[in-house]
Amino acid sequence: AQKVTQAQTEISVVEKEDVTLDCVYETRDTTYYLFWYKQPPSGELVFLIRRNSFDEQNEISGRYSWNFQKSTSSFNFTITASQVVDSAVYFCALRPTSGTYKYIFGTGTRLKVLA
Amino acid sequence: DAGVIQSPRHEVTEMGQEVTLRCKPISGHDYLFWYRQTMMRGLELLIYFNNNVPIDDSGMPEDRFSAKMPNASFSTLKIQPSEPRDSAVYFCASSWLPGTTDTQYFGPGTRLTVL
Repeated sequence: AQKVTQAQTEISVVEKEDVTLDCVYETRDTTYYLFWYKQPPSGELVFLIRRNSFDEQNEISGRYSWNFQKSTSSFNFTITASQVVDSAVYFCALRPTSGTYKYIFGTGTRLKVLA
Repeated sequence: DAGVIQSPRHEVTEMGQEVTLRCKPISGHDYLFWYRQTMMRGLELLIYFNNNVPIDDSGMPEDRFSAKMPNASFSTLKIQPSEPRDSAVYFCASSWLPGTTDTQYFGPGTRLTVL
């Protein structure tokens, strides 16, 4: 089965706290892609990062960092020193390379950053 | 560069009416996707095109839904007749898939309300 699980439905933190959003995926494919998207209150879906299955190097972009671990099938997203503008729903997605070209989205994690 | 453009941004209609949603993909992208987002079902892929040809329409809910892509810069999603349960946000996304540059970029969405 191909599946993405975001077990955290909603997280609330106080500004400047660090927060980690969890993403666990299932796939039988040996090659696949993983993504994170942000959906702010305005509603659009904003691409954040793409990771290939053969590249387990962690990535940092400003206050954002991603930890990809194939051994645990996880692709977690950490926001350091959170800000109110980080308040959004965050989606993790999997694109297997077998079958047709589809993204499998998780159900999303709503992050609320309180001032 | 212009992103994916969708129109209208909001649509309110009455049950039984025909609704047409429009999408202009990013220039040069050869894949186009239509998604629907609801609270109950999350993000669902309805259909996608490659080089203007529908590849997978298994997500189209029923015959009331139809999608076309007459050329590389325009696609429509039509609902006829519309029903209240079609109320949702409809997203269009496009991508370019040579090698490892696979990333879907989303439009701002059309919020459809069927009364």
